[in-house]
Amino acid sequence: DADVTQTPRNRITKTGKRIMLECSQTKGHDRMYWYRQDPGLGLQLIYYSFDVKDINKGEISDGYSVSRQAQAKFSLSLESAIPNQTALYFCATSDVDSTGELFFGEGSRLTVL
Amino acid sequence: GNSVTQMEGPVTLSEEAFLTINCTYTATGYPSLFWYVQYPGEGLQLLLKATKADDKGSNKGFEATYRKETTSFHLEKGSVQVSDSAVYFCALSSYNQGGKLIFGQGTELSVKP
Repeated sequence: DADVTQTPRNRITKTGKRIMLECSQTKGHDRMYWYRQDPGLGLQLIYYSFDVKDINKGEISDGYSVSRQAQAKFSLSLESAIPNQTALYFCATSDVDSTGELFFGEGSRLTVL
Repeated sequence: GNSVTQMEGPVTLSEEAFLTINCTYTATGYPSLFWYVQYPGEGLQLLLKATKADDKGSNKGFEATYRKETTSFHLEKGSVQVSDSAVYFCALSSYNQGGKLIFGQGTELSVKP
């Protein structure tokens, strides 16, 4: 099994719908991240959490919210999806002492019609 | 703010050709530098890293040297294989940004037999 698991892997939804992407990890890391990948733009940080009680906005948090339910679980929500949120979303984890090494899930491809 | 710029892709090479993917960065202080690779349908994984000036990171035949004087971290491989076809991301992490990774836009590499 993968160390960082994302569900769903693919989702098609309609404008205005609420959608949740879930991430769970078995690496025992305290730090978790949500990134968005768009062609030609690389990865942009949406939210990150350094422990269960710590939630921080990244570069592009507008239109998104997160919940850190436990050390191992970090979910991303789109309260009212819009077409320009169509993208590939990645969850990642890191250790406190990692000096920047992240461990990524396989991604969740979201299409908003 | 801190930023990373990569050469644009796609880059198309024949098998056994020499590869260079350019990466330059802007950062205050002394960032750590990384190359991540994303194979088709997968999440990103760390390829190599360097944490201080003049360090050389290497893995799977790939190399990159941290050049502070030119603020660069170019990725090289002497002889590419079809299996190296992927998207390559340069990234930096700095203490003054809480260790979060900042990614370049990615460079797609396609190796033909």
